[in-house]
Amino acid sequence: AAGVIQSPRHLIKEKRETATLKCYPIPRHDTVYWYQQGPGQDPQFLISFYEKMQSDKGSIPDRFSAQQFSDYHSELNMSSLELGDSALYFCASSFSGSGSNSPLHFGNGTRLTVT
Amino acid sequence: AQKVTQAQTEISVVEKEDVTLDCVYETRDTTYYLFWYKQPPSGELVFLIRRNSFDEQNEISGRYSWNFQKSTSSFNFTITASQVVDSAVYFCALGDNFNKFYFGSGTKLNVKP
Repeated sequence: AAGVIQSPRHLIKEKRETATLKCYPIPRHDTVYWYQQGPGQDPQFLISFYEKMQSDKGSIPDRFSAQQFSDYHSELNMSSLELGDSALYFCASSFSGSGSNSPLHFGNGTRLTVT
Repeated sequence: AQKVTQAQTEISVVEKEDVTLDCVYETRDTTYYLFWYKQPPSGELVFLIRRNSFDEQNEISGRYSWNFQKSTSSFNFTITASQVVDSAVYFCALGDNFNKFYFGSGTKLNVKP
């Protein structure tokens, strides 16, 4: 079965650079989530989209923005990168339409290293 | 407020031992969902199970079993006859009716040969 696809798997950037992470959700999933996981921490919710509209916002810095496109893929844009942005970034998708709170299916993550 | 507590930060067992990972949650909602995820050293998050708040039936899947008790707000996870491949960080999570998910801090399980 198709899973959530994230690219790139690894990304190395310097401070103050920008980065764009991409996510392709499972087909027919209507909700996309972005999470940030620092070393030894649990995933922290950044932002979510339902049917291409932002549905919820978590602890996402103002330097970050995200959007979901007409083909349902999503991009997380990160500017003015800081050392503290080094983390594993997960995208997850689910089907929320039935209101049954289906599980989040996570991609393999993008490991961002800021030097 | 929604909250998930995994009090065990790290557990070490020897292969073939049984091990239980604890998860306690807090919510005022009557409808909610509980999840377990596994994060092996390779980093991906793997979905293991989902239970809704109206279904307290325990579940067994191979060597894995889950014990959901609303009376104690717990959703514990037991691995029977642990194997080295079970070594991972395990996250318990709570989902509400607005598709918001709350993760516990995770329990790192080390299974030694």
